[in-house]
Amino acid sequence: EAGVAQSPRYKIIEKRQSVAFWCNPISGHATLYWYQQILGQGPKLLIQFQNNGVVDDSQLPKDRFSAERLKGVDSTLKIQPAKLEDSAVYLCASSSYLASYTEAFFGQGTRLTVV
Amino acid sequence: SQQGEEDPQALSIQEGENATMNCSYKTSINNLQWYRQNSGRGLVHLILIRSNEREKHSGRLRVTLDTSKKSSSLLITASRAADTASYFCATDEEAGTALIFGKGTTLSVSS
Repeated sequence: EAGVAQSPRYKIIEKRQSVAFWCNPISGHATLYWYQQILGQGPKLLIQFQNNGVVDDSQLPKDRFSAERLKGVDSTLKIQPAKLEDSAVYLCASSSYLASYTEAFFGQGTRLTVV
Repeated sequence: SQQGEEDPQALSIQEGENATMNCSYKTSINNLQWYRQNSGRGLVHLILIRSNEREKHSGRLRVTLDTSKKSSSLLITASRAADTASYFCATDEEAGTALIFGKGTTLSVSS
């Protein structure tokens, strides 16, 4: 079974530029998450999708962050404009809606450095 | 927001020793899980304990849960150098909700 795919693995941009990250979840997983992990901290949920609908985006900084999930499969997370404090690893995860618990399968992440 | 705290923040032990890390959380939970993260990699699920369970074993892992104290512990027995990683507890309030992670414990196992 293929895992969660993310690209790019690394990205360096200047502040005020825009950046986009892509995620392809495990086939058949209806739920997709984007997490932000700042160095030395645990992952923080940015947004949760169920199929192509948003379940929870309460912690997404909507003035600069946006996310979409096309056709309930792939997802993109965009930051525009980026700030220095956005430097972090952006993790995508997916889980099966049918499970009675949430076991999330994570991609390797995209490490963003804003300079 | 983060669910709670792991304790200790960092732990260094020798191969063969046991490693114990603790997690506290704030809200009621459906389940509690532990994940491992190797440097530069994504998180990998280790073990899950349901809110009505008190102890769970899986290989060299032992997890306990005390819902009255809103705390959990992860014990890794007979540690190996390959266990070097960061360990996070994660909780969900109900089935279908997103996992909320703690800040993690960084474990270093030296040979």
